[in-house]
Amino acid sequence: DTEVTQTPKHLVMGMTNKKSLKCEQHMGHRAMYWYKQKAKKPPELMFVYSYEKLSINESVPSRFSPECPNSSLLNLHLHALQPEDSALYLCASSQTGTVYEQYFGPGTRLTVT
Amino acid sequence: ELKVEQNPLFLSMQEGKNYTIYCNYSTTSDRLYWYRQDPGKSLESLFVLLSNGAVKQEGRLMASLDTKARLSTLHITAAVHDLSATYFCAVDMVNNDMRFGAGTRLTVKP
Repeated sequence: DTEVTQTPKHLVMGMTNKKSLKCEQHMGHRAMYWYKQKAKKPPELMFVYSYEKLSINESVPSRFSPECPNSSLLNLHLHALQPEDSALYLCASSQTGTVYEQYFGPGTRLTVT
Repeated sequence: ELKVEQNPLFLSMQEGKNYTIYCNYSTTSDRLYWYRQDPGKSLESLFVLLSNGAVKQEGRLMASLDTKARLSTLHITAAVHDLSATYFCAVDMVNNDMRFGAGTRLTVKP
């Protein structure tokens, strides 16, 4: 199974809402990632978890809160977002060690109104 | 700070023609990746290049890596319409920190 799943596929939320994005993989990967991708732009790394510990936080605003409950699951909790946070949010996973080929999920298309 | 530069950013090709996309990066790394993204879709891994001189081929695409020049190329042979997509290179820094180039939007016309 080389699949990374993400839910929901689409999310519309107001600026006062709290919502969560979910990501799951069953490839035994111990590194998981959140990326943000705006239209016609490359993905921008937000967070990296390695062995369920946050290893990289690319100066992301605190209204984005990641969580890695176990080695297969990755969440992104959203609160008090701004319209400019509307984007495609991609989850990825990879092995750790010397090969970091990432497998990407289908993404969650987020719209903040 | 690591910079990853791709060129061209836009490429319009005729079917049957050959072309090369270039990816330059500014720091020492011997791990480079190429991805494809179709409109509205996620990223699909194409090639993983792990050492200087690495060359990989899949169908009409061939990727190479020169770590001394900090350059990777993605060569397209005899383009077909199905290759129309956006192609990203990505460089692996340390500790799983991946940085992407701006992407090359390829359109193959009949």
